[in-house]
Amino acid sequence: QLQLQESGPGLVKPSETLSLTCTVSGGSISSSSYYWGWIRQPPGKGLEWIGSIYYSGSTYYNPSLKSRVTISVDTSKNQFSLKLSSVTAADTAVYYCARMESVLDYWGQGTLVTVSS
Amino acid sequence: EIVLTQSPGTLSLSPGERATLSCRASQSVSSSYLAWYQQKPGQAPRLLIYGASSRATGIPDRFSGSGSGTDFTLTISRLEPEDFAVYYCQQYGSSSWTFGQGTKVEIK
Repeated sequence: QLQLQESGPGLVKPSETLSLTCTVSGGSISSSSYYWGWIRQPPGKGLEWIGSIYYSGSTYYNPSLKSRVTISVDTSKNQFSLKLSSVTAADTAVYYCARMESVLDYWGQGTLVTVSS
Repeated sequence: EIVLTQSPGTLSLSPGERATLSCRASQSVSSSYLAWYQQKPGQAPRLLIYGASSRATGIPDRFSGSGSGTDFTLTISRLEPEDFAVYYCQQYGSSSWTFGQGTKVEIK
């Protein structure tokens, strides 16, 4: 059974860079034709796709966040990562990682990241 | 970018009643790429329906999806206590994913 687990700091200061890692177990991140992506959910609000990386390494970003987002993959560790720069309080959210095709069929449990000084 | 608008924002119903949730797209969406998710408090979303009308693994048959083009519907035939949650529609196109804002199904 595929499992995804987010990890990273739960508190980030304004103007700094948010960094999260998703560790995939129960399957290889590079062996199939999937995207691996990040989605966030501000407290009490809806879901927002942040960006995705294809198994080949190609990246795709939400246009509204593109200038601040970098997603990368480390196949040796079966992990992929998110970096979001110049964060503000508006970036406070639960961040999920997920396996993606046209749908998101496996999700991590989510991790709350708060932006505050 | 395709915008998905869900209605109503909140649906107040009793167990055993039928729930009908709407998802309208700002431009035509391939039925192959329209999905529905259920989210309960403190949990990640769970895939319910893909391809507009196919149930995901383990999803009870009281959940059904329909629609095409710009109008899609999720129907829960008889609400069970565990069905009270928030539901999101989602579309995929050109390596981009968007979600609707969600419909909350609450106990009346």
